[in-house]
Amino acid sequence: KNQVEQSPQSLIILEGKNCTLQCNYTVSPFSNLRWYKQDTGRGPVSLTIMTFSENTKSNGRYTATLDADTKQSSLHITASQLSDSASYICVVSAGGGADGLTFGKGTHLIIQP
Amino acid sequence: NAGVTQTPKFQVLKTGQSMTLQCAQDMNHEYMSWYRQDPGMGLRLIHYSVGAGITDQGEVPNGYNVSRSTTEDFPLRLLSAAPSQTSVYFCASGRSGNSPLHFGNGTRLTVT
Repeated sequence: KNQVEQSPQSLIILEGKNCTLQCNYTVSPFSNLRWYKQDTGRGPVSLTIMTFSENTKSNGRYTATLDADTKQSSLHITASQLSDSASYICVVSAGGGADGLTFGKGTHLIIQP
Repeated sequence: NAGVTQTPKFQVLKTGQSMTLQCAQDMNHEYMSWYRQDPGMGLRLIHYSVGAGITDQGEVPNGYNVSRSTTEDFPLRLLSAAPSQTSVYFCASGRSGNSPLHFGNGTRLTVT
């Protein structure tokens, strides 16, 4: 069964600090890996999409890495801001459409002033 | 640019009632899908559509119906609401392949 595991479940850091969120997956075949940010009471918003051949992808202060050999991805947030407080969801696609997506449970990140 | 619009934002139903959650997108996306989000669980796929007139079941389809008569609209119908359907429902749209999904802001449904 395809699975996506995220760690930690929750994380609290001080404003201005960096942090790294982890995503391990057992999805086959692999098409792409996505990171979404979900603010409280809102729908998820796409941060990055990485295919098999991409090791690193950045979106502002967000940098995602992918190791397709070990089936691991990370999302690094640099110089955190209060607006980074949200849940971050890792999603792995096995190809095709919506039925090919496996969602992680998310990491709940709180940035404290 | 409205993106994906869901209505209503909140709804309370009594057990056995029926209702329709509305979803509309203005990006001419082929793919549309419905998810439910429950505490401690990842988003779970209810139904999806790859184009007008085509729908298919996802992981948790029981108790829900969908139709796709136009590219823009993808309503989700609860036939006879049950407390187990208390959840937050998200509609999403996208193109095929490696394109990102665009989500609405959800409908919070409570069934008493």
